[in-house]
Amino acid sequence: AQTVTQSQPEMSVQEAETVTLSCTYDTSESDYYLFWYKQPPSRQMILVIRQEAYKQQNATENRFSVNFQKAAKSFSLKISDSQLGDAAMYFCAYRRFLGNQFYFGTGTSLTVIP
Amino acid sequence: GAVVSQHPSWVICKSGTSVKIECRSLDFQATTMFWYRQFPKQSLMLMATSNEGSKATYEQGVEKDKFLINHASLTLSTLTVTSAHPEDSSFYICSARDFMSTEAFFGQGTRLTVV
Repeated sequence: AQTVTQSQPEMSVQEAETVTLSCTYDTSESDYYLFWYKQPPSRQMILVIRQEAYKQQNATENRFSVNFQKAAKSFSLKISDSQLGDAAMYFCAYRRFLGNQFYFGTGTSLTVIP
Repeated sequence: GAVVSQHPSWVICKSGTSVKIECRSLDFQATTMFWYRQFPKQSLMLMATSNEGSKATYEQGVEKDKFLINHASLTLSTLTVTSAHPEDSSFYICSARDFMSTEAFFGQGTRLTVV
């Protein structure tokens, strides 16, 4: 079974600064998808960014970008110019290319300090 | 993005009663729906996966007779917690995707409290 590891249970960042959340995964597949989901205090899960494994270019969405290292099976999320609204739990997730199931990491709780 | 609506947002029920949670995809056809349970400050624990018109596939350790899942249409799945007990109190989340979408879209979650 695929496993997704987030080694940072908690992180904090000063407002307007940059923070990087780590994620590693284990798979024998060559084609798959990776995601970062955000769960704010409302607990509504929101997709932040996704990456297709066959794409070498790192995905970016405004202030959010990823560093996808396929060989190292690493998928980190960089949040630039952190805002108070970025405070949330962040979950890294994996899905096989032809699979249905999503595998979630244990999450990283991000605190943004004003 | 696609919208998934989950209802109710919170429910309190008496021990021994059953409670139904609905999950609707509002603007797409959800060929697959997922039900998760989430304990405080923990990750999502997959309970079951359902494809429209088929029986749900339950994860190991999840009692299928206790957590009844129905996915009778492409826009609606329901989770019924039967004979609820206080240990069933939790946050339940549904998500859905169609066969073309890469990601899954999540409902708002339901806080179940059994007293």
